[in-house]
Amino acid sequence: AQKVTQAQTEISVVEKEDVTLDCVYETRDTTYYLFWYKQPPSGELVFLIRRNSFDEQNEISGRYSWNFQKSTSSFNFTITASQVVDSAVYFCALSDVVDNAGNMLTFGGGTRLMVKP
Amino acid sequence: NAGVTQTPKFQVLKTGQSMTLQCAQDMNHNSMYWYRQDPGMGLRLIYYSASEGTTDKGEVPNGYNVSRLNKREFSLRLESAAPSQTSVYFCASSEAGTGGYTDTQYFGPGTRLTVL
Repeated sequence: AQKVTQAQTEISVVEKEDVTLDCVYETRDTTYYLFWYKQPPSGELVFLIRRNSFDEQNEISGRYSWNFQKSTSSFNFTITASQVVDSAVYFCALSDVVDNAGNMLTFGGGTRLMVKP
Repeated sequence: NAGVTQTPKFQVLKTGQSMTLQCAQDMNHNSMYWYRQDPGMGLRLIYYSASEGTTDKGEVPNGYNVSRLNKREFSLRLESAAPSQTSVYFCASSEAGTGGYTDTQYFGPGTRLTVL
């Protein structure tokens, strides 16, 4: 069965600090997809990134970067020079392909990031 | 282009009452989903519909029913609400249907439901 673990339930940083959110996953499949979503205080879920299991290249988008390591089953998310607007709950999610007629996502419990001015 | 819309945004029910949560998407997506989010937990899948005319159970389907009314709309019904169903409900959609292809899910704004 799929499982996603976000061990950090809450992180508090001061603005301009770098912060890394950890995500560890479990799956028996060789083909799978990993996602990060952001949930700001307003409550909606905002898609950030999608990565398939065959692409281990790190990705950078502005202040955001993602480190995918298959060897440790991790897909960590780093925010560089954090800002108050980054304060949100961040979810990591996993979807495999084999038993996935409907593209089901398994979510981690989320990490609440608080960025203080 | 509104994306995924949900109604209502807030609802308070008494135990035993019934209600239907509505969801619509204007992205011509094939698949639609209903999740619930409980405090301190990630989202859990209730039901999904991989294509118009089909629905399947997710991780936590008990106490719920769904209807894929057409390609755009996917409703979630609570026949006899219980306090354990107090949660935030999210609808989502994705382009892909069946075939082992995993696509990104886009979420609506959520419905906050309280059952007293």
